[in-house]
Amino acid sequence: QQPVQSPQAVILREGEDAVINCSSSKALYSVHWYRQKHGEAPVFLMILLKGGEQKGHEKISASFNEKKQQSSLYLTASQLSYSGTYFCGTEYGGGSQGNLIFGKGTKLSVKP
Amino acid sequence: DAGITQSPRHKVTETGTPVTLRCHQTENHRYMYWYRQDPGHGLRLIHYSYGVKDTDKGEVSDGYSVSRSKTEDFLLTLESATSSQTSVYFCAISRDRANYGYTFGSGTRLTVV
Repeated sequence: QQPVQSPQAVILREGEDAVINCSSSKALYSVHWYRQKHGEAPVFLMILLKGGEQKGHEKISASFNEKKQQSSLYLTASQLSYSGTYFCGTEYGGGSQGNLIFGKGTKLSVKP
Repeated sequence: DAGITQSPRHKVTETGTPVTLRCHQTENHRYMYWYRQDPGHGLRLIHYSYGVKDTDKGEVSDGYSVSRSKTEDFLLTLESATSSQTSVYFCAISRDRANYGYTFGSGTRLTVV
C-alpha cells in the first residue's frame, strides 16, 4: 500500500515550476508532505485531509483529489533552497491504519 | 530546543550483538514512531507507540523490539544485529495523527559489520 510518487527525480532552473504527484490504490484519509535535505531529517510541510482541500506554504501548495486518491505538490518560482527529496505520507484511517506510509520520494534539484 | 533527540547519532556494531537506540522528546506528544530509511525504499515504519506501554508493529518489525516506559522515551532494540539492519533510523513524534504532522529526530546512522 505504499503510495507511488512521480516523477522520481526532476531538475529545475531557478524560477521554474514543478509538480510532484502522490497516488494511492487505497482510499486515503489524509496526505502529508515532507522535504528532506541531504543528511538531514525530513521536515513537515503540510497535511491535507480528505475533502479536496488545498493548502499553501510560502510558494509551495498542495491539493488532494479524493476521487482519484491522489495528491499533488506544487512548487512555483522555485528557489535553490527548494532542493531536496520530497516525500508524501499517506494515512488510511484510524487505529493501526492511522500511521503514515511514505512513498519512495522525489528528488528535486534546483540549479542557478 | 529541538523537542526530539536521538542517541547515539552514529554507531558501528558487530553482527549478532544487541543494540539499543534511544529517542527522547520534550513535547509530551502521545505518538512516537521508529522508521528506517534505505536508498530506494523511502521511510519504512518499524514500530510505533500510542502511549506509555502501548506499542504495536509496523511494516518491517522483524528483528526489532521497542519499549516505552515513560512518555518522553521510546527505545528501539535490535535483538541480534544483522548486516541487513544497516540503515539510518529516524524517530518521529506526533501530537495527534489526524491533524498534525510528524516531527523527526536527526537520525541514527547504524552500521552492522
